[in-house]
Amino acid sequence: DAGVIQSPRHEVTEMGQEVTLRCKPISGHDYLFWYRQTMMRGLELLIYFNNNVPIDDSGMPEDRFSAKMPNASFSTLKIQPSEPRDSAVYFCASSFGSGGQYFGPGTRLTVL
Amino acid sequence: GQQLNQSPQSMFIQEGEDVSMNCTSSSIFNTWLWYKQDPGEGPVLLIALYKAGELTSNGRLTAQFGITRKDSFLNISASIPSDVGIYFCAGQRNNDMRFGAGTRLTVKP
Repeated sequence: DAGVIQSPRHEVTEMGQEVTLRCKPISGHDYLFWYRQTMMRGLELLIYFNNNVPIDDSGMPEDRFSAKMPNASFSTLKIQPSEPRDSAVYFCASSFGSGGQYFGPGTRLTVL
Repeated sequence: GQQLNQSPQSMFIQEGEDVSMNCTSSSIFNTWLWYKQDPGEGPVLLIALYKAGELTSNGRLTAQFGITRKDSFLNISASIPSDVGIYFCAGQRNNDMRFGAGTRLTVKP
C-alpha cells in the first residue's frame, strides 16, 4: 500500500492568497483526519471525517479554514485568505474504525 | 481540549542503553498509541494499546496501557542510532485523539 498521500509537500505563498492542501487516504479506511503541527502547539486535530462526512470540526481555527471530502479517496483543506500565523506542517491521517491512525508525510506551509 | 503530559522532554543516551518515557493525563482514554516522527516526515505508528493493563511488545519496544487508563509508558531496549527521533504518545477516545508534546531522543554511537 502506498500509505497516505499528501500534496504538495511544500507550499510557499503570500499573505492573502488561497491555499489548498490535498490528501488521499489509505484505501479502505473510513476515517480521515487533518492535523496541524507547530513548535508552539504541537499536533492539533483540526477536523475529521467518517465515510466522507465531517464529524467534528471544533479544531478548525476560524472561518478561513474549510475542509471537504467529496469521495472516499480524496480530501482537501483550504485556507482563504492565508495569514503568516497559518505557517505550519499540515498532516492528513486515516484509519479503519477506531484503530490506529496512519499519517501522511505532511505539507509544510509557509505564508509570507 | 485535554492535554497529555509526556516526559521527559528530551533524552541523550549512549547506544545500547535502555530508554523509558511516559505519558499521563487527567482524562481516561480507550486507546493509547505511541508514534515516532523523523525529521520531515509524518508520525509513524509504533504500538497501539486497547485494554487497561495491556503490555505489548514490538521488537525492542514495549509499551503498557495503565490500569487507571490515564497513563502509558514506552520502553526501548538496547537503543541503536536509528532510534533517534521524536516519540509521541497519543490518547484516543472514540476518534478524538490527543497528543503529548513529544520526547526527543538522541542516541550517541
